[in-house]
Amino acid sequence: AQSVTQLGSHVSVSEGALVLLRCNYSSSVPPYLFWYVQYPNQGLQLLLKYTSAATLVKGINGFEAEFKKSETSFHLTKPSAHMSDAAEYFCAVVTGRGADGLTFGKGTHLIIQP
Amino acid sequence: DGGITQSPKYLFRKEGQNVTLSCEQNLNHDAMYWYRQDPGQGLRLIYYSQIVNDFQKGDIAEGYSVSREKKESFPLTVTSAQKNPTAFYLCASTHGVMNTEAFFGQGTRLTVV
Repeated sequence: AQSVTQLGSHVSVSEGALVLLRCNYSSSVPPYLFWYVQYPNQGLQLLLKYTSAATLVKGINGFEAEFKKSETSFHLTKPSAHMSDAAEYFCAVVTGRGADGLTFGKGTHLIIQP
Repeated sequence: DGGITQSPKYLFRKEGQNVTLSCEQNLNHDAMYWYRQDPGQGLRLIYYSQIVNDFQKGDIAEGYSVSREKKESFPLTVTSAQKNPTAFYLCASTHGVMNTEAFFGQGTRLTVV
């Protein structure tokens, strides 16, 4: 079985500061990993995905994530936070062909302080 | 533009009633999924369908039903057997399998009154 743990249901950073959102996964086989962003009362939008190519993945809006197999982690980072980054962020995993869908973490609410 | 359309955006249900949430996609995607979102719970899979006329239960299928009569459409019915239906419901689709990008609709917020 696969699972995802996101550390911290809420993360608060100052505008211009580093953003770090943590994600650890559990999977018995090589996973595919995703980060999605959700704005209030909206659907989810893909930020980036890891599919066993490069371990450092760059996404939209200046976000990137690094796959570390030894740590079973896929943390999301952004060097400088903008007010527009305030949203809910979800890490998700799928294994194999993923026929039964993504498994999501419980989400991290990112708060940007002016 | 291609995408997934969910309707309605807001839905109110009286206790004991069945309601149907619509999900339509024009992306020519084979697979479609329904997720339920509750605060602090993340997204949980209700039902999914890989091809027309076939669907499988997800992790929390009790009290829900679906159909897949057309490739473009995957409606979800919340039945009176679902004891706690108030939630945000999201529909998603993928071209073939879930290790490619999933596209999501804008969601339907269902409230029991």
